[in-house]
Amino acid sequence: GDSVTQMEGPVTLSEEAFLTINCTYTATGYPSLFWYVQYPGEGLQLLLKATKADDKGSNKGFEATYRKETTSFHLEKGSVQVSDSAVYFCARTNNNNDMRFGAGTRLTVKP
Amino acid sequence: GAGVSQSPRYKVAKRGQDVALRCDPISGHVSLFWYQQALGQGPEFLTYFQNEAQLDKSGLPSDRFFAERPEGSVSTLKIQRTQQEDSAVYLCASSSRGRHAGELFFGEGSRLTVL
Repeated sequence: GDSVTQMEGPVTLSEEAFLTINCTYTATGYPSLFWYVQYPGEGLQLLLKATKADDKGSNKGFEATYRKETTSFHLEKGSVQVSDSAVYFCARTNNNNDMRFGAGTRLTVKP
Repeated sequence: GAGVSQSPRYKVAKRGQDVALRCDPISGHVSLFWYQQALGQGPEFLTYFQNEAQLDKSGLPSDRFFAERPEGSVSTLKIQRTQQEDSAVYLCASSSRGRHAGELFFGEGSRLTVL
């Protein structure tokens, strides 16, 4: 069935390191793709999105490109900060346009 | 308030008790969603409202779960005769557009622990 699979955590990086969190999806049709972030003690919030193939979503230095050929939407950031420590969720809309989420990847950035 | 507000933030219930979880969405948002998030997992869809109409309840795990949004604003998720497997964080989200909008605004969740 439709699903979202993302890289298992936890991920621990040093400040200024390069970040990649992999996300792949299964789909029929043309879903929209999202990354949500959950900072400690807060609710989920949208980080970035892409609505069609080859679109690049970007926000706060994070980027992700909608790759239809590989059904992927990997999250990247060139230089992480301590404040980026959070849980990151990849998500997609399905045929009914319900939002479906991956299991989440916990990122810890150490000074 | 400016965001989605959920209450209570924490609820401990004895098995068999009924619980009610409240969601106050962003004012004017027509779409309201409930999700269930088990520990270490992503949110799982429960139900969707467009204004006061419950258009999809396919994710509700059993007939012990009931949701309502009678006036198209505040919503309540009720769980009857709670079981230990109901322990999870229950998330409410709202959107200013219809179901297809994409961006959801989430509350901080209600963490339910069933003993």
